[in-house]
Amino acid sequence: EAGVVQSPRYKIIEKKQPVAFWCNPISGHNTLYWYLQNLGQGPELLIRYENEEAVDDSQLPKDRFSAERLKGVDSTLKIQPAELGDSAVYLCASSLYPPEQFFGPGTRLTVL
Amino acid sequence: QQQVKQSPQSLIVQKGGISIINCAYENTAFDYFPWYQQFPGKGPALLIAIRPDVSEKKEGRFTISFNKSAKQFSLHIMDSQPGDSATYFCAASKGQGAQKLVFGQGTRLTINP
Repeated sequence: EAGVVQSPRYKIIEKKQPVAFWCNPISGHNTLYWYLQNLGQGPELLIRYENEEAVDDSQLPKDRFSAERLKGVDSTLKIQPAELGDSAVYLCASSLYPPEQFFGPGTRLTVL
Repeated sequence: QQQVKQSPQSLIVQKGGISIINCAYENTAFDYFPWYQQFPGKGPALLIAIRPDVSEKKEGRFTISFNKSAKQFSLHIMDSQPGDSATYFCAASKGQGAQKLVFGQGTRLTINP
């Protein structure tokens, strides 16, 4: 069974530029999560989807971050404009039987 | 507010020894406690998890001990191997359904050969 797929794996951008991350969850997993992991820290939830509905986005900085999960499968997380402090690893996780969650490899973002 | 506190931050164990990582939580509504293992450049991988209705769960060399009254749980790695060298995170979640995981700060484990 394929795991959670994320792309790109690495991204380097200049501050104020936009950036987007893509996630393909494990087949059949209705619940999808985006987490932020700063260096040396545990992941922190940004947004959680049940199918195509965002059911918990309280930690998402909505002034610059947006996310979507069209058709309840793949998801995209966008930052516009990026700031220096956004440099981190962005993790996607999916779940068939919550709260058991399976994580992807993450996208490491560097903002210069 | 840090709801899950993990210790130690780093740990060095000799090959064949027992590695012990501890976590303490504050919210008594938490009812699911997983441990994740993360290698550099990889995402966290679910290792083992426990519910508060049992005090211990064992899977191979990995054991979770759970103390509900003390609001603490720990991961024990028996016969630690160099391949176990990684960062370990405890986490907790509450309630039914797909609630978020609240993670500890992580422990960097090094197993010396």
